[in-house]
Amino acid sequence: QKEVEQNSGPLSVPEGAIASLNCTYSDRGSQSFFWYRQYSGKSPELIMFIYSNGDKEDGRFTAQLNKASQYVSLLIRDSQPSDSATYLCAFSPGGSQGNLIFGKGTKLSVKP
Amino acid sequence: SAVISQKPSRDICQRGTSLTIQCQVDSQVTMMFWYRQQPGQSLTLIATANQGSEATYESGFVIDKFPISRPNLTFSTLTVSNMSPEDSSIYLCAGQTHYGYTFGSGTRLTVV
Repeated sequence: QKEVEQNSGPLSVPEGAIASLNCTYSDRGSQSFFWYRQYSGKSPELIMFIYSNGDKEDGRFTAQLNKASQYVSLLIRDSQPSDSATYLCAFSPGGSQGNLIFGKGTKLSVKP
Repeated sequence: SAVISQKPSRDICQRGTSLTIQCQVDSQVTMMFWYRQQPGQSLTLIATANQGSEATYESGFVIDKFPISRPNLTFSTLTVSNMSPEDSSIYLCAGQTHYGYTFGSGTRLTVV
């Protein structure tokens, strides 16, 4: 069973702090990893994708991938109340048609 | 990135009836996917829809219950057949782009 494990939270951070979201995945053959943000009542929207080991930065967001440990994380710097949402980690299983396996999501709350 | 229009956005249906959900993409996408999201849960893949061939269903989902059409590279439908209250959920379509998935806005289905 190919799975993604995420801490469901809620994770609460003060405004301006760094929020750290983590996930582990089961499929060593996975090559592509994604972070989605989902506001309540809305559909998921892509924040970042990462294919290579190491860090990838995009504005206030940094994704980190460690394939040896089967671990991927998302850091949100200078957290804002508008970042309050559920963050879904996903990966594309090796040999798949491109479908994504999603974790259950971590609910983030940024307090003003 | 691609924009996907999904309709209806919500519906309340009687048990035993069927509902067809439509997704229209503003550009061609090779792969489209249909997901279900139960309240407070993550996304569960129902099937992968390819143009010109039958959809590929995940374990626990069958074509008789969830028939899918994919007549071209910009359109797909999912029908939820012979509905029961257990089918109440949010249904999401997604199109695969170079940078991951783009989701439709979702259909909130309530079966009474």
